[in-house]
Amino acid sequence: ETGVTQSPTHLIKTRGQQVTLRCSSQSGHNTVSWYQQALGQGPQFIFQYYREEENGRGNFPPRFSGLQFPNYSSELNVNALELDDSALYLCASSLDLAGVDTQYFGPGTRLTVL
Amino acid sequence: GENVEQHPSTLSVQEGDSAVIKCTYSDSASNYFPWYKQELGKGPQLIIDIRSNVGEKKDQRIAVTLNKTAKHFSLHITETQPEDSAVYFCAASTTGNQFYFGTGTSLTVIP
Repeated sequence: ETGVTQSPTHLIKTRGQQVTLRCSSQSGHNTVSWYQQALGQGPQFIFQYYREEENGRGNFPPRFSGLQFPNYSSELNVNALELDDSALYLCASSLDLAGVDTQYFGPGTRLTVL
Repeated sequence: GENVEQHPSTLSVQEGDSAVIKCTYSDSASNYFPWYKQELGKGPQLIIDIRSNVGEKKDQRIAVTLNKTAKHFSLHITETQPEDSAVYFCAASTTGNQFYFGTGTSLTVIP
């Protein structure tokens, strides 16, 4: 176990709705990255937060947004849900940005959009 | 951006045999290469990683090799066991934030 937790485990929404996913990073880690993993694919980088600021973003539209809190936990918000947003959403925490640091993943949130 | 290709997509081996998974990357600036194991319904678990200043790293039955010139790296699992059955992902990173993942290899170890 990595110590990274995510909630909820599963979520079902309808197209057009909004969703918030939550992540608690491993103790001592100040950086959280979010990934989307479609069925049968590798994780795709959404964005990263370092000390409450966005630090890098992948090829995802603005309706994907996030927050990081002073305790380094994080939220991923998705507005105007589309069917293609159905996926496993993973967060990963790491210790620092000095060089490249190992990312430890949580168990993920399975989002289904109907 | 970086492009990581992974082969094979599926791999079946007899228990006790070795398994090899290969990845190539496109960005010569990539300097960190982790391997993750993902079991059904779980998040990826780091099993081994290698940095660009090292050519090979071993941890018990698992080893990773890196060829920077050819831009490829490989995962080697020896003496495979049924519990090694899972999906394995390689990844590459340059900047410390964005990891680029391969498409995964589904490994089945046949008892």
